[in-house]
Amino acid sequence: NAGVTQTPKFQVLKTGQSMTLQCAQDMNHEYMSWYRQDPGMGLRLIHYSVGAGITDQGEVPNGYNVSRSTTEDFPLRLLSAAPSQTSVYFCASSYGGGAANTGELFFGEGSRLTVL
Amino acid sequence: AQSVTQLGSHVSVSEGALVLLRCNYSSSVPPYLFWYVQYPNQGLQLLLKYTTGATLVKGINGFEAEFKKSETSFHLTKPSAHMSDAAEYFCAVSDNFNKFYFGSGTKLNVKP
Repeated sequence: NAGVTQTPKFQVLKTGQSMTLQCAQDMNHEYMSWYRQDPGMGLRLIHYSVGAGITDQGEVPNGYNVSRSTTEDFPLRLLSAAPSQTSVYFCASSYGGGAANTGELFFGEGSRLTVL
Repeated sequence: AQSVTQLGSHVSVSEGALVLLRCNYSSSVPPYLFWYVQYPNQGLQLLLKYTTGATLVKGINGFEAEFKKSETSFHLTKPSAHMSDAAEYFCAVSDNFNKFYFGSGTKLNVKP
């Protein structure tokens, strides 16, 4: 079972470059989200989506864009990378609204990004 | 706004000893509370959650947690630590399953 798949696993960028972190899930989850994990700070929500065509900001959205054109995919775009965006990024999905929603997040294995 | 405080960034116990990881939260509404575990170079996995009902919840691998509203706490315990429990543990809170707020994490070390 694939679950939540993130690519790439590792990436090194130079300041000012752009890139997209990919996230795909095969569980037909309505809810998808992006977190960044920094030492001593836990995970912080960047953006989330409750369904195709619907996105919203989390705690730390600045410098990141998202879109949700399909249920399966939720890419995270860095338009102009900065050293402060060096982090480990996690994509997570969940069943979404309604009775099926148990609140459990299913995480990908992470993407480690370094911005020089 | 919601927030989570985990006391102790590192906790060390001997194999077979009690594990106690502390979590306090702040929330303006009745919260949903979660504990996740992260093994090295992996994503997070759900250990247990409190949404409604019984305030003592049991999770996987022998862990349990008790929701204490009066103390705004959701501490994680396990009676007897095993070497395989060594990992980082995160407490999280949400009020609507859309925005989740995580604590800073506690790394558990288990000594033989």
